[in-house]
Amino acid sequence: QVQLVQSGSELKKPGASVQVSCKASGYTFTRYGMNWVRQAPGQGLEWMGWINTNTGNPTYAQGFTGRFVFSLDTSVSTAYLQISSLEAEDTAVYYCARGDSSGCDHWGQGTLVTISS
Amino acid sequence: DIQLTQSPSSLSASIGDRVTITCRASQTISIYLNWYQQKPGKAPTLLIYAASSLQSGVPSRFSGSGSGTDFTLTISSLQPEDFASYYCQQSYITPRTFGQGTKVEIK
Repeated sequence: QVQLVQSGSELKKPGASVQVSCKASGYTFTRYGMNWVRQAPGQGLEWMGWINTNTGNPTYAQGFTGRFVFSLDTSVSTAYLQISSLEAEDTAVYYCARGDSSGCDHWGQGTLVTISS
Repeated sequence: DIQLTQSPSSLSASIGDRVTITCRASQTISIYLNWYQQKPGKAPTLLIYAASSLQSGVPSRFSGSGSGTDFTLTISSLQPEDFASYYCQQSYITPRTFGQGTKVEIK
């Protein structure tokens, strides 16, 4: 069965960096794009962008350029989200989600990233 | 960017009620509209894709309709497990924006 398993919760200080991983199993990794979605505490879903797992080409939504980087290691079917120069406003749950123009049909369990001094 | 406006933002309903949530896009998106359910502390799950196609495993009491700019999610008979937040998302063009969400609560 399709599974997306994300790395565990992170507590970081402002200015630090964090990497969230999303390991896929149960399907051919390069056949579906991988989306990243942010959910701040008590807030709605925010689409951050996606990465084409076949070409490695990322697309970022406005507001997620510069400090946010999507990457892949196709040899281990894993997508990564790296956030640098962390700010308090980056505190959120980050989800990876498999999908394309037909929606995101499988989601990771979410990774809570907390920024606190 | 395409803006999606959901209404209402929240609603109270009883078990067995018919519930309708609407999603309006700021420009035409054909049928590239998806609906998700999210329960507290859990990842979202896909209910409906391409405006009206039921995702595998989703109960038939959920249905979607619409095209262009106006879309509807209907729950024909609300069940206890349906109390959750619901989000629409357009996948017509990037950024694949979400609506602000609708919280369905118990009356």
